[in-house]
Order: sequence, then structure tokens, then C-alpha cells
Amino acid sequence: QKEVEQNSGPLSVPEGAIASLNCTYSDRGSQSFFWYRQYSGKSPELIMFIYSNGDKEDGRFTAQLNKASQYVSLLIRDSQPSDSATYLCAGADGLTFGKGTHLIIQP
Amino acid sequence: NAGVTQTPKFQVLKTGQSMTLQCAQDMNHNSMYWYRQDPGMGLRLIYYSASEGTTDKGEVPNGYNVSRLNKREFSLRLESAAPSQTSVYFCASSEAFWDTQYFGPGTRLTVL
Repeated sequence: QKEVEQNSGPLSVPEGAIASLNCTYSDRGSQSFFWYRQYSGKSPELIMFIYSNGDKEDGRFTAQLNKASQYVSLLIRDSQPSDSATYLCAGADGLTFGKGTHLIIQP
Repeated sequence: NAGVTQTPKFQVLKTGQSMTLQCAQDMNHNSMYWYRQDPGMGLRLIYYSASEGTTDKGEVPNGYNVSRLNKREFSLRLESAAPSQTSVYFCASSEAFWDTQYFGPGTRLTVL
């Protein structure tokens, strides 16, 4: 069973700061990962897809993949109250999502 | 272009009743999925269809059946509903298997 682990939070971050969300995975063969965002009462939507070691940047979002340490992270710069949501990590070659981290941006 | 649609949006059942949740996508995607989401449990895969004509069990298939009716439609059936099946159900689709998934709005099901 390929597992993806996330701290459920809540993670509370002041507005304007950097929010750091982490995900660890059990399968050393995993090659790529998705980050989804889910607002309360809504369905998940894709934020980032990362498939190689290192960083991938898209606007205020940066995804980082470290295959040697088996973790993937999502950094949100200049955090806004609208970033308050649950963030879900999923391996691209498994059939499981992490349980998600609930992020709260404090104005 | 509606994306992924689900019906109904809300449903209340009594224990033992049956029902079918409908899902349709208009993106010509090959793969479709059914998930349930419970507080603190994240998204759990019930069944998936990697391509038209195939279906496979996910993490929590017990008490459910699915039908991939055609490329567009993937239904989820509860034959004899139980209170443990109270949950929010999401359907999703992707162009290829386990590619970026696009989710429907969800069905909130309560079993009394």
C-alpha cells in the first residue's frame, strides 16, 4: 500500500508570511506528485504538479520534491486570507491522497 | 462546458434503502473515479475506471457497486444503505489514469 502522510493541522500563519505544507510518502519509486486545494464545502482543485527533484514555481506557489528524503512540500508566499483551505497531497502513481492539512491565514 | 456533474447534490436515505449516484463528464476523459470524504479521513477511493469498459476496487469498496455506462458516465450504487455510508461523495475524471483529476461538486448523503 503506497501511503502519503500529511499533518492534519490546523496550521495557522499570519497574513503576508510564508506558509509551508509538507507531505511524506512511503514508496521510493514514486516519481511525481499533485497538490490540490479544497475550500470548505467545495471540491478539490489542482494547485501544482511536480515530477522532478527540486523546485517548481507558479506565482506565489512553490512545490518542492526531495526524492532522497521522500517528502514533497508546498510553499505559499505572501499568504492571503483567501489561501485558507485544506491542501491535499497525492502521489501520481498511487491511488491515495493524504488526509490533507487545514491552513488558516490570520488577517 | 460543464466539466464534471453529479446528481443529486443532497440525499437522505433510511437504512436499507438503495440509490444510485450519477456522474457525467464532458471533457472526453478516459478515467473516472468515485471518492468518499469524511471528517479527518481525507479522500478515500471507492472505485475507479481507468478506461471505458473497466472498473476496479479502490481502498473502501465494500457496500458499493459501480457501472461505467459509457465514456461519459460513471455511476455509484448503494444496494442497502447503512449509517456508516453517511458521507460526501465526489466523482472525478482525468484524461489518463491518475493524471490531473477534475472533481464534481459532490453529493452530500445522509443515511438515517
